[in-house]
Amino acid sequence: EAAVTQSPRSKVAVTGGKVTLSCHQTNNHDYMYWYRQDTGHGLRLIHYSYVADSTEKGDIPDGYKASRPSQENFSLILELASLSQTAVYFCASSPDRGVSNERLFFGHGTKLSVL
Amino acid sequence: GEQVEQRPPHLSVREGDSAFITCTYTDPNSYYFFWYKQEPGASLQLLMKVFSSTEINEGQGFTVLLNKKDKRLSLNLTAAHPGDSAAYFCAVRSSDSGYNKLTFGKGTVLLVSP
Repeated sequence: EAAVTQSPRSKVAVTGGKVTLSCHQTNNHDYMYWYRQDTGHGLRLIHYSYVADSTEKGDIPDGYKASRPSQENFSLILELASLSQTAVYFCASSPDRGVSNERLFFGHGTKLSVL
Repeated sequence: GEQVEQRPPHLSVREGDSAFITCTYTDPNSYYFFWYKQEPGASLQLLMKVFSSTEINEGQGFTVLLNKKDKRLSLNLTAAHPGDSAAYFCAVRSSDSGYNKLTFGKGTVLLVSP
């Protein structure tokens, strides 16, 4: 089974502070994603990457940056954390976009509280 | 872009009853469909994926129906038990945009009481 590890599992941050969420996968997957989950909104895509040293904007990228220094690692950066960014963040990975490889493998999530 | 509406947002059933969750989507070119299960405090786990039109897939204790004509995806948990209590999310992959983008429904929180 694919392994996606997120750190930290939870974090409390202050408004205006910088937050970095980390994700590590050992699956040799090309694609990695950051989603946020809010009550009543399901999961929404923030950023994704399909190759190291390259990131792409998802549906709600404002206020977030992403970094993919290697195939295994994908970080989400909140330069100036805001109250509205309180949410649970999920990292996911998937193999290339071949027809047979459509599913996502999720990490356990990071609960971020911005105060 | 793709819009996915999932109903109901909350569902409470007794053990042994059926639980029925439906998602409707808007992009007629969507062609991959998924159901994920999220137990409390845990991550999302794939329950089933389907990609053929008007397909019925049976898993362990559940049935998934895809009706492309109506743009509707359904999950039916037959004879639900307390271990099925979780949040369920449908996800739809829309027309090929060059990456594995999924649009998720807002989820259904299912509670199965003994």
